[in-house]
Amino acid sequence: AQKITQTQPGMFVQEKEAVTLDCTYDTSDPSYGLFWYKQPSSGEMIFLIYQGSYDQQNATEGRYSLNFQKARKSANLVISASQLGDSAMYFCAMREDNAGNMLTFGGGTRLMVKP
Amino acid sequence: SAVISQKPSRDICQRGTSLTIQCQVDSQVTMMFWYRQQPGQSLTLIATANQGSEATYESGFVIDKFPISRPNLTFSTLTVSNMSPEDSSIYLCSVERSGSDSDTQYFGPGTRLTVL
Repeated sequence: AQKITQTQPGMFVQEKEAVTLDCTYDTSDPSYGLFWYKQPSSGEMIFLIYQGSYDQQNATEGRYSLNFQKARKSANLVISASQLGDSAMYFCAMREDNAGNMLTFGGGTRLMVKP
Repeated sequence: SAVISQKPSRDICQRGTSLTIQCQVDSQVTMMFWYRQQPGQSLTLIATANQGSEATYESGFVIDKFPISRPNLTFSTLTVSNMSPEDSSIYLCSVERSGSDSDTQYFGPGTRLTVL
């Protein structure tokens, strides 16, 4: 079974609007962390936001917020006030504390912001 | 965060040859990670490199094909040996840094490899 699933291969959003990128995960480890990364066409991976499995509050980082629903095993990324520079691939990743330090990545979502 | 550089940034190589990719970090780190991203795909961990010990390879990756060196706490190399067109990928190194609430992996800019 896939550990990280991103069901949206591609999405469009109008500039200045908000967009939600979906991520569901599968783990039996009670302690884990969820990460979102942005990959522009240049290829670099840029860390955006982190959510720990024991965190009570949803993580926020500027225009990025994480809608964490633990019972549903989902960790959706919300980008508010989209900008043209947000056009990129977005990857959700998980680290399970019982599996060492490795990150498992989802298949990614390509976000395209329309002017 | 971390300042990570990789060399080369891109290369075009002939099949059967080898390429060594360098990863340099701005400060000492215990673990460095090497990932591969095939065209249109997600990232897959190749191996974890600790200074002073053999790298730990993930399923599907072997030392003969992807030898790794970790001579000190700020530097690592990954060699892609006896290349074939299937090795055409972006290769990324990453390091883990402890933050206020998490240990986060930060990535280098990647090496874009094309094998003809």
